[in-house]
Amino acid sequence: NAGVTQTPKFRILKIGQSMTLQCTQDMNHNYMYWYRQDPGMGLKLIYYSVGAGITDKGEVPNGYNVSRSTTEDFPLRLELAAPSQTSVYFCASRDGYNEQFFGPGTRLTVL
Amino acid sequence: KNQVEQSPQSLIILEGKNCTLQCNYTVSPFSNLRWYKQDTGRGPVSLTIMTFSENTKSNGRYTATLDADTKQSSLHITASQLSDSASYICVVSDQAGTALIFGKGTTLSVSS
Repeated sequence: NAGVTQTPKFRILKIGQSMTLQCTQDMNHNYMYWYRQDPGMGLKLIYYSVGAGITDKGEVPNGYNVSRSTTEDFPLRLELAAPSQTSVYFCASRDGYNEQFFGPGTRLTVL
Repeated sequence: KNQVEQSPQSLIILEGKNCTLQCNYTVSPFSNLRWYKQDTGRGPVSLTIMTFSENTKSNGRYTATLDADTKQSSLHITASQLSDSASYICVVSDQAGTALIFGKGTTLSVSS
């Protein structure tokens, strides 16, 4: 059981570039989440999904898009990268006991 | 507005000593309260989960308490170890259990 995996671990983007942050879980969890963590701040919810084909906005969705074509994968898309999107991004999945399992994170810098 | 406030912001203790971290929240009603440990450069890992009806929950040297009346929780770490150096995050779930409100965390440094 690998749990929740994220790629890449690090990435530097130029302003206006686009990229996809990958997230995969092998625990067959229906619920999946994307958070961002800025220095000295609590995690903020970007998007979440309650199952394949269903996604919804969280607290800070602007500038991001998601899709959920399978139970396992929940990619996060940045279309036009901005310096304000410099952050650490965490993907998580949730089991039936409301326990969330986090991936190792992707550290993104936009210059 | 639903908020989770943690104190202190940072803490330095000697190895072997005990410490207590505090969490105050305004989320109401809420489903559960969790404490996570986040090592530098890693994702958060769950330590304890308590429902509104529970007063205490232990996980090895970690003991969490909850007072739902005063909306306060604490995390007590006994006989600290160097590996306890990390950020400890208090997280409160709304009544539906779908929305998590994260505190900013307390950074604990354990020195030898």
